This record gives sequence, structure tokens and C-alpha cells, in this order.
Amino acid sequence: EAGVTQFPSHSVIEKGQTVTLRCDPISGHDNLYWYRRVMGKEIKFLLHFVKESKQDESGMPNNRFLAERTGGTYSTLKVQPAELEDSGVYFCASSPPDVGDTEAFFGQGTRLTVV
Amino acid sequence: ELKVEQNPLFLSMQEGKNYTIYCNYSTTSDRLYWYRQDPGKSLESLFVLLSNGAVKQEGRLMASLDTKARLSTLHITAAVHDLSATYFCAVDIWGAQKLVFGQGTRLTINP
Repeated sequence: EAGVTQFPSHSVIEKGQTVTLRCDPISGHDNLYWYRRVMGKEIKFLLHFVKESKQDESGMPNNRFLAERTGGTYSTLKVQPAELEDSGVYFCASSPPDVGDTEAFFGQGTRLTVV
Repeated sequence: ELKVEQNPLFLSMQEGKNYTIYCNYSTTSDRLYWYRQDPGKSLESLFVLLSNGAVKQEGRLMASLDTKARLSTLHITAAVHDLSATYFCAVDIWGAQKLVFGQGTRLTINP
């Protein structure tokens, strides 16, 4: 069974440009989460989808970040325009639809560097 | 706001030695997770601890949970080089379906 897959694995962009990260969750997992780890800091929650609906987006840092999950399958996280402080590793995770089950499976992350 | 603190943040040890990583959290929680991450790889779930006094073991790793002290430990016995990785603890905010992570402990085991 395929795990959570993220694309690209690395991205280097200039300040002011736009970047779109993609996450393909495990098939059948209704819950999809985005997390971010800024250099040397803890991994922080960004948002949570249940199918195509945003359940909790309290961790989104500002309106330069837009997450979508059309059709309830894969998700994208777009940063526009990117700033230097957006650099970090962006993780996606998914979990089955059981209520209260938060044991999530993580992807390998996308390392974003804004220069 | 729930805070999760790990210590130490960096740990360098020799093969064959024992050591413990500590994870303190600030608010009552129902679940605590330990993850392992190798460079460039995904976070791999090691243990899920659900109740006070829970103890789980897998190979040379053993995790425990004391909900009254809001403390979890990850104990490494007779370390081997393959255990070199970054270890994270994470706490579930019940009903919120999101994890609050510690800063991670980078463990290096030298031959």
C-alpha cells in the first residue's frame, strides 16, 4: 500500500514567487493534515481537512497560504507570494475516517527554501 | 495553550550505552505519540500511549507515560548506530484532531 506522498521533495524559490506543494494521502483516508517545521523549531499544525472541507485552519500563518483539497483526494498548499520566513519543511499527514482517531501517517515532507 | 517540551534537544552517545529522552507537556491530554525521523524521510510512528502508566517496548526502545506528571519518557537500551535519528514526541488535543509536537531530539550514536 502506498504511503503519503508529497511533491516536490525540495523547492528553492525567490522571495515574491509562488510555490505550490502537493500531498497525496493514503487511499481512503478522509483526514488530511498539513504541518510545518521552521528551521530548528517544533513541527506546527497548519490545518486539517475532512474530505474536501476545512475542519480546522487555525494554524495557517497568514493569508499568503491557501490550501485546497478538491474532490477530497489530494491536497495542495500554495504560498503566494513567498517570504523568507516561509522556509522550512512542510509535512502532510493523513488518517482514517474514524472519529477521534488521530494516529496519522506522515509523508516525507517538502523542504522549501525561499531566497 | 498546550506546550510540549523535549529534552535534551541534542544527544550524542556511544553504542552500548543507555539513555532517556524526556517529554513534558502542559495540559491534560489523552494520547501521546513518539515518532522517529531519518533525514529526508517521513515521520515514522513508534509508539502511541493512551493511558496513565502505559508502557510499550519495541526492540531497544521503551516508552512510558505518566499523565499525572504530564511526562513521557523514551528509553534507549544498549544503543546501536541504527538508532541515530531525530525523535519527536507529540500530544493529541482531544477532539481537535491535531498534534502538538515537541522540538525534537537529535540522537547520534557513535560506534
